[in-house]
Amino acid sequence: KNEVEQSPQNLTAQEGEFITINCSYSVGISALHWLQQHPGGGIVSLFMLSSGKKKHGRLIATINIQEKHSSLHITASHPRDSAVYICAVNFGNEKLTFGTGTRLTIIP
Amino acid sequence: NAGVTQTPKFQVLKTGQSMTLQCAQDMNHNSMYWYRQDPGMGLRLIYYSASEGTTDKGEVPNGYNVSRLNKREFSLRLESAAPSQTSVYFCASSEGIQPYEQYFGPGTRLTVT
Repeated sequence: KNEVEQSPQNLTAQEGEFITINCSYSVGISALHWLQQHPGGGIVSLFMLSSGKKKHGRLIATINIQEKHSSLHITASHPRDSAVYICAVNFGNEKLTFGTGTRLTIIP
Repeated sequence: NAGVTQTPKFQVLKTGQSMTLQCAQDMNHNSMYWYRQDPGMGLRLIYYSASEGTTDKGEVPNGYNVSRLNKREFSLRLESAAPSQTSVYFCASSEGIQPYEQYFGPGTRLTVT
């Protein structure tokens, strides 16, 4: 079965800390997505990647195809980064399969 | 550009009632999707439309119907609502079906009593 697992489920950190959220998947993929869901419910796409690394501001996403693993890093975390971060993958040419999300809380 | 818009934002239905959730996008995207989000579960695909004039079932289609009215609009209909359909519903769009970034609407919170 095609599965996506995220860890941790919940993460609380102090402002300024370096954050890492992990995503692992079961079989080969064509793309992996990182999404952010704000407390108000809206969902925003952060990254789509199939290899290597992408960076946008304080956010960095990496993927290791051989190990079937991706990480989302946040540098110099800020309370406004508090959100649910969702990993989703395209297994082959299939539609997106979503992880259950990591709830991140950054304390001032 | 408004992106992806959904109406209504909130809805309460009684069991057996029907309703249609509306979705529209102004990005000239070919593909559109309906998802539901339930506590403790990832987003699950209900139906999708790869291009104007086509619709296909996703992972959880039972109890729902869809219409791709034109390239912009994709509606989701609950013919006879059940409490199990209490959920948050998201519409999304993308350039195509092959892995592309998806753009999400703000969601509709539906409660069926």
